[in-house]
Amino acid sequence: GAGVSQTPSNKVTEKGKYVELRCDPISGHTALYWYRQSLGQGPEFLIYFQGTGAADDSGLPNDRFFAVRPEGSVSTLKIQRTERGDSAVYLCASAVGAPGYEQYFGPGTRLTVT
Amino acid sequence: QKEVEQNSGPLSVPEGAIASLNCTYSDRGSQSFFWYRQYSGKSPELIMSIYSNGDKEDGRFTAQLNKASQYVSLLIRDSQPSDSATYLCAVNIGTASKLTFGTGTRLQVTL
Repeated sequence: GAGVSQTPSNKVTEKGKYVELRCDPISGHTALYWYRQSLGQGPEFLIYFQGTGAADDSGLPNDRFFAVRPEGSVSTLKIQRTERGDSAVYLCASAVGAPGYEQYFGPGTRLTVT
Repeated sequence: QKEVEQNSGPLSVPEGAIASLNCTYSDRGSQSFFWYRQYSGKSPELIMSIYSNGDKEDGRFTAQLNKASQYVSLLIRDSQPSDSATYLCAVNIGTASKLTFGTGTRLQVTL
């Protein structure tokens, strides 16, 4: 079946601009996670949705970052006033439930802030 | 102390040998443990999950968990050049739903 999809695959933006990153999870998966990965590091948690609600947003670095999942399926990660330090690969994962269920990752969105 | 620790490597093994990858974690209450494989420029791919003490085998891969010693390992038998990748250990620390990852161990399988 179809895996997790993410769009765009690459995004280049100028410092200060607003960006939206989209994640479409595996059908039927109620848990959705956003992580970001910098070169040479493991993925770092940003936010977790169970259904439509953000169950844990403790990983969001500051209030420039926001994510929604209005219908319990597709999620959008929104970054305002982008900074060069936001450059990373943003990964989305989904799972049939939580906690402890296997998480499956999408291909990621590579964000470059110039 | 980091919550999940791995040796960054590279770990170099000859083709056909057994590769042994290790991971330690900080929270004794952790219950769920995962190994992901990540090729350069790609996203992490789940290869094993383990929840109980002991060994779990899947093809050439064996995951080993020892909760008393707080370590989890991955053995790859008959290593192939296509196994060359970074292997990430991930843990649900305590009762958290999020995964906490180690920095990964880079494996090189040489001909």
